Amino acid sequence: AQSVTQLDSQVPVFEEAPVELRCNYSSSVSVYLFWYVQYPNQGLQLLLKYLSGSTLVKGINGFEAEFNKSQTSFHLRKPSVHISDTAEYFCAVSNFNKFYFGSGTKLNVKP
Amino acid sequence: DAMVIQNPRYQVTQFGKPVTLSCSQTLNHNVMYWYQQKSSQAPKLLFHYYDKDFNNEADTPDNFQSRRPNTSFCFLDIRSPGLGDAAMYLCATSTRTIAAGPWFEAFFGQGTRLTVV
Repeated sequence: AQSVTQLDSQVPVFEEAPVELRCNYSSSVSVYLFWYVQYPNQGLQLLLKYLSGSTLVKGINGFEAEFNKSQTSFHLRKPSVHISDTAEYFCAVSNFNKFYFGSGTKLNVKP
Repeated sequence: DAMVIQNPRYQVTQFGKPVTLSCSQTLNHNVMYWYQQKSSQAPKLLFHYYDKDFNNEADTPDNFQSRRPNTSFCFLDIRSPGLGDAAMYLCATSTRTIAAGPWFEAFFGQGTRLTVV
């Protein structure tokens, strides 16, 4: 079975500061990992995905994530956040058939 | 251009009155999903279609049904909405073909926010 744990429900950060949103997964098989962003009253938009290959994945809006198999983690990072990054971020794992989402992390960027 | 379109964006329905939510896609994807997302919670998969094959999650209440008349359209029917069914409903698509391999991602619509009064 697959599951995703997002360790922080809320992350406040000041504008231009770096941020890391944590995600850990459990799976008995090979996994494909995703980060999605959700703005208020919107659907989910793909930020980035890890399928195979390089463990450092770059996505849209300056975000990147690193896949760490030994720690079963897929943390999302951005070196300098903007007010417009305020949103909820979901980590997801897929096993080819379905997507399983974490409970989400609300990123609140303060001026 | 919108690729997964959900209508309406906001739906208010009366307790116990059947309601249908609509999803259409221009991606020609063979898989379509319906998720329920309650406030501050993760999206929860209700069911998905792989082509015409319907796959229900074990814990999806019987009150929720779905129809997929063709590749482009998928409907979510709630037969007797209760107050606990108020949520955002998300439709998503993906492609799962030999050519695509397992490297698929889900494309989401904007969601329909359902209010039950």
